[in-house]
Amino acid sequence: QLHLQESGPGLVKPSETLSLTCSVSGDSMISSTYSWGWIRQPPGKGLEWIGNIYYNGNTFYNPSLESRISISVDTSKNQFSLNLYSVTAADTAVYYCARVWSSSCFDYWGQGTLVAVSS
Amino acid sequence: DIQMTQSPSSLSASVGDRVSITCRANQSISTYLSWYQQKPGKAPKLLIYVASSLHSGVPSRFSGSGSGADFTLTISSLQPEDFATYYCQQSFSTPLTFGGGTRVQSK
Repeated sequence: QLHLQESGPGLVKPSETLSLTCSVSGDSMISSTYSWGWIRQPPGKGLEWIGNIYYNGNTFYNPSLESRISISVDTSKNQFSLNLYSVTAADTAVYYCARVWSSSCFDYWGQGTLVAVSS
Repeated sequence: DIQMTQSPSSLSASVGDRVSITCRANQSISTYLSWYQQKPGKAPKLLIYVASSLHSGVPSRFSGSGSGADFTLTISSLQPEDFATYYCQQSFSTPLTFGGGTRVQSK
């Protein structure tokens, strides 16, 4: 059974970098059928797509965040990571990682991790 | 960006009721539409993909329909575990976008 787990700091200071890692177990990340994505959800609000990455490093970013984000993959560790730069309080959210089937839907999700931006 | 609008934003229903939720895109997205269920404090779960295909393990009381710009998620007989928030999501083009959600609560 595929399992995804987010990890990283729960508190980040304004103007600093939010860094999260998603560890994938139960299957290899190396696949042309699947990509791997990040989604976030501010407290009490809806879902926002951040970006996706394929095992070969090809990325697709949300233009609203593209200037501040970087997503990378390490297939040797079966992990992918998110960096969000110059954060503000508006970046406070639960961050989810997920598997993306055929560039279409998020079929498996991590449990999510709350990241607060505060001094 | 493609905007996804769900209606209603919330509804009250009883166990056994037939429930329908609508999702409308501001342009045609063919059948590039997925539905998710989210319970408080939990990650969303995929229910339906490509508008009408049931994800593995999802009960058959859930169904999806529609194409173009108008889509519907139907729960044929609401069960206690179905009280949750439901989101639609389009994958016709990036950025991938979600609807604002529909909260299904107990009457």
